[in-house]
Amino acid sequence: QKEVEQNSGPLSVPEGAIASLNCTYSDRGSQSFFWYRQYSGKSPELIMSIYSNGDKEDGRFTAQLNKASQYVSLLIRDSQPSDSATYLCAVKNTGFQKLVFGTGTRLLVSP
Amino acid sequence: DGGITQSPKYLFRKEGQNVTLSCEQNLNHDAMYWYRQDPGQGLRLIYYSQIVNDFQKGDIAEGYSVSREKKESFPLTVTSAQKNPTAFYLCASSIDPRKAEDEKLFFGSGTQLSVL
Repeated sequence: QKEVEQNSGPLSVPEGAIASLNCTYSDRGSQSFFWYRQYSGKSPELIMSIYSNGDKEDGRFTAQLNKASQYVSLLIRDSQPSDSATYLCAVKNTGFQKLVFGTGTRLLVSP
Repeated sequence: DGGITQSPKYLFRKEGQNVTLSCEQNLNHDAMYWYRQDPGQGLRLIYYSQIVNDFQKGDIAEGYSVSREKKESFPLTVTSAQKNPTAFYLCASSIDPRKAEDEKLFFGSGTQLSVL
């Protein structure tokens, strides 16, 4: 079992729709969770971090965390073509205290 | 402007050659990291350093070496022992990975390494 799992996609949504990106993790003791956006050929940039169960909203982005189910998701409301990118889920595991990245989900927003 | 500078943007390695990727940051961050990204893959940790003159192996350290003689600099050498070095290499830094609010990573623009 991979430590952090994401569906590679592509996830295709029309402009203005809600895009839902999902991530599961194996280390039950993980405490910190991050979503990074990466455009093709560019470096990742942090868009959301979440540390406690529930929802965290920042503009059009909402991160959701459910530690009991070991599940973290990212919702993008009013999706724009400029949101088309690969979204990487990263989880900080216990013990070794390092970030483990998923393989990323490619999002395509069509005009 | 504060940030992380990686150079070169593109690098070609000949068989049996060692090459060094540069990473410099002026963010005054304590921790620095090197990741490797293969097409369609996530980021895999090569080495990391939390303080000057100290560094730790990540998940895929074989065939790589690093140094941390200055807080600002964390160069990565890809040695001839690394048999499959073609990848996108990313350097990152964080203020203090031990504190939840300071552990987010800031990335450089990356170096694409290819084998001739």
